[in-house]
Amino acid sequence: SQQGEEDPQALSIQEGENATMNCSYKTSINNLQWYRQNSGRGLVHLILIRSNEREKHSGRLRVTLDTSKKSSSLLITASRAADTASYFCATDTAGGGGNKLTFGTGTQLKVEL
Amino acid sequence: DAGITQSPRYKITETGRQVTLMCHQTWSHSYMFWYRQDLGHGLRLIYYSAAADITDKGEVPDGYVVSRSKTENFPLTLESATRSQTSVYFCASSGGARQPQHFGDGTRLSIL
Repeated sequence: SQQGEEDPQALSIQEGENATMNCSYKTSINNLQWYRQNSGRGLVHLILIRSNEREKHSGRLRVTLDTSKKSSSLLITASRAADTASYFCATDTAGGGGNKLTFGTGTQLKVEL
Repeated sequence: DAGITQSPRYKITETGRQVTLMCHQTWSHSYMFWYRQDLGHGLRLIYYSAAADITDKGEVPDGYVVSRSKTENFPLTLESATRSQTSVYFCASSGGARQPQHFGDGTRLSIL
């Protein structure tokens, strides 16, 4: 079963624009993580936000977490063609021992020149 | 280079055959994971291991067997492959609970 559901499923933007992806989940979490997957490659960890945090930044990435709405968003600012990839949220469920993640189905981002 | 490597990258086999996918990590991470990735399902956890000789089932364990005799290796075996096991398989490792996971580049497995 999917804990995280990303929205939109696909997103196409022009280089230099911002890209926003959303993730909703169902149960209480310890943390939420975002990963990127380039075509034909494994997932790469981008950022982790804990349940007691509301916002986190890493370079051009900004992640927000609203535990009352059970949702998170990933903002990529000033996008580049190299940002073209699939993006997944993953939740570490509270009470789950902290050793398993549940992934959503991902958002496919295409950044065009 | 340090990292996590999977082999083979591509495999074609027939139904009923046994196939083993290999995973090796050089970080001495305690946790290792096996996922399958299918269109429309995202990544689903098959098995995971918290340490050598400790393994546990994930969301979709049926038809798979794992072992972990050494910290650095975590092979996944399909004992009698079925077409429904055609998928891309990813191995991952992490240094501890609530830590980010590091993924290999996957094995694309086709079962005819």
